Amino acid sequence: IQLTQSPSSLSASVGDRVTITCRASQGISSYLAWYQQKPGKAPKLLIYAASTLQSGVPSRFSGSGSGTDFTLTISSLQPEDFATYYCQQLNSYPRTFGGGTKVEIK
Amino acid sequence: EVQLVESGGGLVKPGGSLRLSCAASGFTFSSYSMNWVRQAPGKGLEWVSSISSSSSYIYYADSVKGRFTISRDNAKNSLYLQMNSLRAEDTAVYYCAREFRQVLDYWGQGTLVTVSS
Repeated sequence: IQLTQSPSSLSASVGDRVTITCRASQGISSYLAWYQQKPGKAPKLLIYAASTLQSGVPSRFSGSGSGTDFTLTISSLQPEDFATYYCQQLNSYPRTFGGGTKVEIK
Repeated sequence: EVQLVESGGGLVKPGGSLRLSCAASGFTFSSYSMNWVRQAPGKGLEWVSSISSSSSYIYYADSVKGRFTISRDNAKNSLYLQMNSLRAEDTAVYYCAREFRQVLDYWGQGTLVTVSS
């Protein structure tokens, strides 16, 4: 299963609403997770089962979708949110990742 | 507190071998599936391999199948990745990650493997 993330990068300002999409090449039900990665650090789980917020993750992050089309939304971008975001499907093996979306400061 | 600490990375020549380890603490290791994920310099994440809690189910990415072997020792709370026939394209930071309800919820800080002559 291939995951296509878009955009591959974006520039945004603090306070902006940001939306990242992840499209699967075939249906994966809701077995999709979103991770945040900062330079030199390990990825951090944000959302699993497409829309469930991981404990401790701010509520400005949300996820939606099922089947083949998924979205990660940051409702009001904060300085600490500038990072790269990855989706991953856990419906079947191999457990593929999307190519990533780098969120940069405008 | 859940902790995953990888070790064993380093510089190896093409065709060589390396064994990575991941020491787990802060949770009942034997109850969880575990994964290896890698990231080449400046690139995205690539899932490498998974092993179920009792080692009954093992999966590999096509890119490493036949060359890498995942294993675990539940008595030692440790996960391993034996890497043989290494290639330049295997150069990456290798992360171990715990799997819970089909999501990778905790990750180690990674160990760098460099394959170069």
